[in-house]
Amino acid sequence: DTEVTQTPKHLVMGMTNKKSLKCEQHMGHRAMYWYKQKAKKPPELMFVYSYEKLSINESVPSRFSPECPNSSLLNLHLHALQPEDSALYLCASSQDLSGQPYSNQPQHFGDGTRLSIL
Amino acid sequence: AQSVTQPDIHITVSEGASLELRCNYSYGATPYLFWYVQSPGQGLQLLLKYFSGDTLVQGIKGFEAEFKRSQSSFNLRKPSVHWSDAAEYFCAVSNTGNQFYFGTGTSLTVIP
Repeated sequence: DTEVTQTPKHLVMGMTNKKSLKCEQHMGHRAMYWYKQKAKKPPELMFVYSYEKLSINESVPSRFSPECPNSSLLNLHLHALQPEDSALYLCASSQDLSGQPYSNQPQHFGDGTRLSIL
Repeated sequence: AQSVTQPDIHITVSEGASLELRCNYSYGATPYLFWYVQSPGQGLQLLLKYFSGDTLVQGIKGFEAEFKRSQSSFNLRKPSVHWSDAAEYFCAVSNTGNQFYFGTGTSLTVIP
């Protein structure tokens, strides 16, 4: 059983739709991550939140908008996506020591949301 | 610049055979090293990690990895592969500079 829960598991949306992906963890982790993963490729980092503040934004297009309402929740708001945005979107969390979310803390991943853009 | 290399894109082994997946990293200081596994349709699961100390690390599911500084390697091993081990395996490295990198992954097929 995964300790990071992502909803929905699957999402199909048109290019004009607005939708949100949700991620929740109750491990007390203060770093949370969004990744995009294409088939047979490693995850690509999109955003990192450290203590509910955006710490890293890897030059992600503005049609992706992250939000961290509290230490347990992470959202990814989607608007006007393109077909090439179809992918598996993974959320992860880790302990965050002194504002350095990566360092030696392993990340715990959810099972992802499979997103398809029509 | 730091990088992680997994030279083998795809490996096929027979069930019961031994397994070694290769991982090489490029980093000046001692990195923090991880192996993750991803089964189809699932997220990534941590198999093991190395930070310091004993260079032979034991993980879950019968996996182990050995850190070899002289070779800049962190290869993953399992003495006897089970059909359920078929998955994608990712090596990853991080450092004190708040950076994290995945390798490109190795796809493992297990044949009966």
